Amino acid sequence: QKEVEQDPGPLSVPEGAIVSLNCTYSNSAFQYFMWYRQYSRKGPELLMYTYSSGNKEDGRFTAQVDKSSKYISLFIRDSQPSDSATYLCAMVSFGNEKLTFGTGTRLTIIP
Amino acid sequence: NAGVTQTPKFQVLKTGQSMTLQCAQDMNHNSMYWYRQDPGMGLRLIYYSASEGTTDKGEVPNGYNVSRLNKREFSLRLESAAPSQTSVYFCASTGGAQAGTDTQYFGPGTRLTVL
Repeated sequence: QKEVEQDPGPLSVPEGAIVSLNCTYSNSAFQYFMWYRQYSRKGPELLMYTYSSGNKEDGRFTAQVDKSSKYISLFIRDSQPSDSATYLCAMVSFGNEKLTFGTGTRLTIIP
Repeated sequence: NAGVTQTPKFQVLKTGQSMTLQCAQDMNHNSMYWYRQDPGMGLRLIYYSASEGTTDKGEVPNGYNVSRLNKREFSLRLESAAPSQTSVYFCASTGGAQAGTDTQYFGPGTRLTVL
């Protein structure tokens, strides 16, 4: 079993919809959680970062962490065609220098 | 400020050939990483370097070697390329005291095909 599981999609939704992207993990030592966005033929870039259970909001994006269920989510409100990308979750335990990534979910927003 | 740069962008090799992928960062970062990305596998760490002069294995180091030439540059070498090494290779760097929790900045990638 992989330490981090992420549905690869692809996921297609109409413009303006709310998107929910999810990852589950098995390693209870993970304490820091990130979401990276990767456009086609580009390198990933950090989108959101959180370290506590609960919600963190940044504009149209909300990152949610439930450590008791080992489950993290990224919500995108009022989705735009420019949000079309692959979204990768990543996590790391305290003091560790190596991130563990999910496989990524490919998202397409249909105009 | 170019961030993280990688060369070449594309490469086709024949089985058994060798090559070196180059990576450089201009952000004065301490830690640098090499990943490979394959469909359905996500990003997997090959090697990383926490500081100049140090390197350590990641999840999939077999068939690769690395050199942290100086603080700016971190190269990845394939001594005898195999078709299983066909992949997209990303270099990344991060500079904070807590390297694992700080933002990793990625290069644009090198697309390698081994025939």
